[in-house]
Amino acid sequence: GQNIDQPTEMTATEGAIVQINCTYQTSGFNGLFWYQQHAGEAPTFLSYNVLDGLEEKGRFSSFLSRSKGYSYLLLKELQMKDSASYLCAVPWNYGQNFVFGPGTRLSVLP
Amino acid sequence: DGGITQSPKYLFRKEGQNVTLSCEQNLNHDAMYWYRQDPGQGLRLIYYSQIVNDFQKGDIAEGYSVSREKKESFPLTVTSAQKNPTAFYLCASKREGGLAGNQPQHFGDGTRLSIL
Repeated sequence: GQNIDQPTEMTATEGAIVQINCTYQTSGFNGLFWYQQHAGEAPTFLSYNVLDGLEEKGRFSSFLSRSKGYSYLLLKELQMKDSASYLCAVPWNYGQNFVFGPGTRLSVLP
Repeated sequence: DGGITQSPKYLFRKEGQNVTLSCEQNLNHDAMYWYRQDPGQGLRLIYYSQIVNDFQKGDIAEGYSVSREKKESFPLTVTSAQKNPTAFYLCASKREGGLAGNQPQHFGDGTRLSIL
């Protein structure tokens, strides 16, 4: 079966750095996605990792360790608009569908 | 601009009533999905479709039905058999072909369904 775990909530200060972790168990790995979802809105794609290591995209970076079943999303220079839920998801069934984690609700405080 | 359109944004259902949520995409994507999201929880898959005239049940299909008569459209009906329909419903689509697993899903803005 597939299982994904994330912390439920995190709080950080504007301008700081925060790391949001995601652990997964899946039969057959085909990459891991991170999405951002503001309250009441659609999730939007942030990053995709399929190989081990760090992928950097501006203020956001995502890391993957396949041997540990572990990923994290790193947000630098936090802004108030970064307050949102962050979802990690893994494709399965040959990429036909996805399993989503419960999401981590991040609150950025002034 | 290409995208996914869900309507209505808010929907109210009376007891014993079936309601249909619309999802239309002009991204030319083959695969389409319906998810349900409850407060503080992740997305749970209701139904998905890889191709026109074919669809598969997800994890929580009971009380729901779908059709895929056109590539662009994937409507979801919430039937009276769904006893707890209050939730945020999200439709998504994804490009297929090649390494299909590495394509992200694109989401609509969602429909919030409540019981009267």
